[in-house]
Amino acid sequence: QQPVQSPQAVILREGEDAVINCSSSKALYSVHWYRQKHGEAPVFLMILLKGGEQKGHDKISASFNEKKQQSSLYLTASQLSYSGTYFCGTENETSGSRLTFGEGTQLTVNP
Amino acid sequence: DAGVIQSPRHEVTEMGQEVTLRCKPISGHNSLFWYRQTMMRGLELLIYFNNNVPIDDSGMPEDRFSAKMPNASFSTLKIQPSEPRDSAVYFCASSLFERGGYTFGSGTRLTVV
Repeated sequence: QQPVQSPQAVILREGEDAVINCSSSKALYSVHWYRQKHGEAPVFLMILLKGGEQKGHDKISASFNEKKQQSSLYLTASQLSYSGTYFCGTENETSGSRLTFGEGTQLTVNP
Repeated sequence: DAGVIQSPRHEVTEMGQEVTLRCKPISGHNSLFWYRQTMMRGLELLIYFNNNVPIDDSGMPEDRFSAKMPNASFSTLKIQPSEPRDSAVYFCASSLFERGGYTFGSGTRLTVV
């Protein structure tokens, strides 16, 4: 089952913050986050496995709620290099390694 | 490490022709995935292998598509015969263990005319 991402698109000025959400109607085994720049391959950002988990590096962090049905990606003090499409990929207990990706959130950071 | 290597980067072919896409995963990674990306359908999993064994091919569109992984360092995705609706970017990805983060290759942009 495909996770639902929101918003579909967001435009920021450099230095502003953004939140991207990823939700599922069923409890998940894990959530992955990837960023894809135009014409390039998706790049792995992080994986969350535990309910209530929060993790991050630099100014990009993510959370996974206690019920393991929703994850949010937080981009703080955005930089021009953060522009791209962000995808969440989800696994459930029975999907094995199979990741189902959301439709993506297009993030544009302007000077 | 050179990362996941895919070839060719671009492929233009005529409808009805056979197309073979190639992938070399990262050494030591034991899971390999083939995804297709289009504007309409996003990123779709076609098939994945664990330790060279196909685990789930339910995403393979139809019998025209086939995939093999004869050894840990090589996989192919074949389309025969190709159709215009197969036009897409095909990504290969590998992961260190069955439920780890993926490293994607640069993709093959396939155009079937």
